[in-house]
Amino acid sequence: GAVVSQHPSWVICKSGTSVKIECRSLDFQATTMFWYRQFPKQSLMLMATSNEGSKATYEQGVEKDKFLINHASLTLSTLTVTSAHPEDSSFYICSARVGAPYEQYFGPGTRLTVT
Amino acid sequence: TQLLEQSPQFLSIQEGENLTVYCNSSSVFSSLQWYRQEPGEGPVLLVTVVTGGEVKKLKRLTFQFGDARKDSSLHITAAQPGDTGLYLCAGGTGNQFYFGTGTSLTVIP
Repeated sequence: GAVVSQHPSWVICKSGTSVKIECRSLDFQATTMFWYRQFPKQSLMLMATSNEGSKATYEQGVEKDKFLINHASLTLSTLTVTSAHPEDSSFYICSARVGAPYEQYFGPGTRLTVT
Repeated sequence: TQLLEQSPQFLSIQEGENLTVYCNSSSVFSSLQWYRQEPGEGPVLLVTVVTGGEVKKLKRLTFQFGDARKDSSLHITAAQPGDTGLYLCAGGTGNQFYFGTGTSLTVIP
């Protein structure tokens, strides 16, 4: 149980275009999902908390107009990187919060390369 | 602000050696998780500890939660190349998770 999928697993896009990444909970419902960014051999940087049916909560320094998050259902959250630039290239990972005490289950990640 | 400091940051050891990774904070957590992440993949949950002083074992891995619930350790016995990866601790308090700085482990055959 507690399987989280992400799509796509990798994407290459041109500078100025937008990219949408999907995060799905496959065998459970997730009212809360998280989006992280990660650089090589470094820990996870929380970007935002995605709440089903309400606006996402962004961490300080994360541009909400650039990283659009939509959590329209209990099994799907999406992250759209708008007007992507090379500095947005990174590994993006989502997770879903489950249980009490809360645990996080992570998707396999999406490698974004902006050329 | 990183609330959880892990040490060491990098560790390279020979197969068969033992090692300990530490996760320290000045904050109290209601629960603490350890994850392992391999390159190009998402972190995988290894264990959750919730009680001060709690010790959990997972095959060759031993996890301990500090008595004051501010710190934790991960001990690996007889490390194998398959243990190679990035180890992350994460403390939970209320609705928040805080990830540690990470420990990159390489086990050389």
